[in-house]
Amino acid sequence: EAGVAQSPRYKIIEKRQSVAFWCNPISGHATLYWYQQILGQGPKLLIQFQNNGVVDDSQLPKDRFSAERLKGVDSTLKIQPAKLEDSAVYLCASSLRTSGAPDTQYFGPGTRLTVL
Amino acid sequence: AQSVTQLDSQVPVFEEAPVELRCNYSSSVSVYLFWYVQYPNQGLQLLLKYLSGSTLVKGINGFEAEFNKSQTSFHLRKPSVHISDTAEYFCAVNTGGFKTIFGAGTRLFVKA
Repeated sequence: EAGVAQSPRYKIIEKRQSVAFWCNPISGHATLYWYQQILGQGPKLLIQFQNNGVVDDSQLPKDRFSAERLKGVDSTLKIQPAKLEDSAVYLCASSLRTSGAPDTQYFGPGTRLTVL
Repeated sequence: AQSVTQLDSQVPVFEEAPVELRCNYSSSVSVYLFWYVQYPNQGLQLLLKYLSGSTLVKGINGFEAEFNKSQTSFHLRKPSVHISDTAEYFCAVNTGGFKTIFGAGTRLFVKA
């Protein structure tokens, strides 16, 4: 079974530029998550989709971050414009179930973003 | 609101020694608890989880954790570590809603 795919793996941009990350979850997984992991910290949830609907985006800085999950499969996360403090690893994860006890999350390798 | 505290940011240990990584949580309702491991340059993967039932949970790679409701803890243990266990370990809590909260992580460094 293929895992969660993310691209690119690394990205370096100047502040105020735009950047986009792509995630392909495990086939059949209804729930998709985007996390931000700043160096020395645990992952922080940015947005969670259930199929193609948003169930939690309370910690997404909506003035600069946006995300979509078209057709309930792939997802993109965009930052526009980037700030220095956005330097982090952006993790995508997916899980199978949409109800009941929390399901195991399967993580991709992440995209390491450096903003100069 | 729920929160997770991992009491040690780094734990150095010699190979074949036992190890305990400590995790405490804060929640006023029932919780589901997880330990994830992150090897260098890889994504997180699940080590073990407590959803209900037995408070002693066994996971992959010889790890186990014990849920202690009175002490609000979920410490991770392994009786004998290997060099390959060097990684970062994250404790996480979910109260049955949408959001899983992760701790800041504990870096386990196994020395030969």
